[in-house]
Amino acid sequence: QITLKESGPTLVKPTQTLTLTCTFSGFSLSTGGVGVGWIRQPPGKALEWLALIYWDDDKHYSPSLKSRLTITKDTSKNQVVLTMTNMDPVDTATYYCAHRPGNLPVAGNPDVFDIWGQGTMVTVSS
Amino acid sequence: DIQMTQSPSSLSASVGDRVTITCRASQSVTSYLNWYQQKPGKAPKLLIYAAFSLQSGVPSRFSGGGSGIDFTLTISSLQPEDFATYYCQQSYTSPITFGQGTRLEIK
Repeated sequence: QITLKESGPTLVKPTQTLTLTCTFSGFSLSTGGVGVGWIRQPPGKALEWLALIYWDDDKHYSPSLKSRLTITKDTSKNQVVLTMTNMDPVDTATYYCAHRPGNLPVAGNPDVFDIWGQGTMVTVSS
Repeated sequence: DIQMTQSPSSLSASVGDRVTITCRASQSVTSYLNWYQQKPGKAPKLLIYAAFSLQSGVPSRFSGGGSGIDFTLTISSLQPEDFATYYCQQSYTSPITFGQGTRLEIK
């Protein structure tokens, strides 16, 4: 059974750096095709993809946030860490991490998020 | 970036109704289109991947269709637990993008 759980501060001040940790179980991030992504959702708004790290350490970022984001993995600890610098009140959102399977029975091995964490709400306020 | 536009933005329907939600991409995404369901206060749940493949455990009343630019999510007979917000997502090219969501409400 695959599970993911996000952890980190619930409140950060403007200009501070946010560090979120996704701790997972039930899969290995060294297995071919597997990845972990981060997606956020401001209150009452739509989902926004942030970043995705793959088993081979390839990393993709949202272009609009790329300068502020860093995603890393610690395979031995089963963790993925997302850092976002220079936080602003508009970054207030629920942040989710999600599993990207590497073995879907379709061609092209698409970026799909099949299992999600429960999410963690982050408020940016002074 | 590929823009994903869902229609309608909200929809009222009754239990037992057949409902179709549309997602249009700003350029072709071939079949790299996924659908998620989200209930209030909960994480999204994958329903359909690669345009029409039903995720394991998802009821067969959900179906996906389309390719290229235009896609649909159809619920053949609405059940009370289906009232939620639905999102499409393309993974044809980075950055991954989501639609703005379609809120399905009880009439």
